[in-house]
Amino acid sequence: GQSLEQPSEVTAVEGAIVQINCTYQTSGFYGLSWYQQHDGGAPTFLSYNGLDGLEETGRFSSFLSRSDSYGYLLLQELQMKDSASYFCAVGAYSGGYQKVTFGTGTKLQVIP
Amino acid sequence: GAVVSQHPSRVICKSGTSVKIECRSLDFQATTMFWYRQFPKQSLMLMATSNEGSKATYEQGVEKDKFLINHASLTLSTLTVTSAHPEDSSFYICSAREGGQVYIQYFGAGTRLSVL
Repeated sequence: GQSLEQPSEVTAVEGAIVQINCTYQTSGFYGLSWYQQHDGGAPTFLSYNGLDGLEETGRFSSFLSRSDSYGYLLLQELQMKDSASYFCAVGAYSGGYQKVTFGTGTKLQVIP
Repeated sequence: GAVVSQHPSRVICKSGTSVKIECRSLDFQATTMFWYRQFPKQSLMLMATSNEGSKATYEQGVEKDKFLINHASLTLSTLTVTSAHPEDSSFYICSAREGGQVYIQYFGAGTRLSVL
């Protein structure tokens, strides 16, 4: 089976930088994605890492180390609107098809 | 960007009735659609994977006769909750994946189902 771990809650100050970690255990791994979900809303895609290293998209960056089964999402210049839940999602080949499993989510609270 | 429309956004029904939820990809062809269930403050639990023109693949523990999935075209998948009961009350979200971008899922806005 697959398992993912990420912190349940993180609090950070507006303007600061925050890192949300994700560790996973799976076979057939092909990539790690990050999604943002505001309360009552739909998840939206933020970033994807298929290879080791850092992917940067504006204020958001995501990192992957396949050898460590570890990744993180980095949010810079935090804004109040960044308060949301962030999910890492592992993509793996299972039974001949691609399967994505979501982590339990990290609730980020940005405070003034 | 790719848009997925999910309808209805909210439904309240009596116990024993059936509810159909539609998921449409508006500006792309979705070779694969997914149906999730989310409880308050919890993660997305995959219910089933739906491929156009073939039977859906259900996750372990999901009753296929309870949650009927139809993916009749490349832009439409439906989830029917049959004989709904209060324990089926939840937030159901669909997502779609475009053929060329297999690592990105585009999500609908979700349907909040309340069964009385």
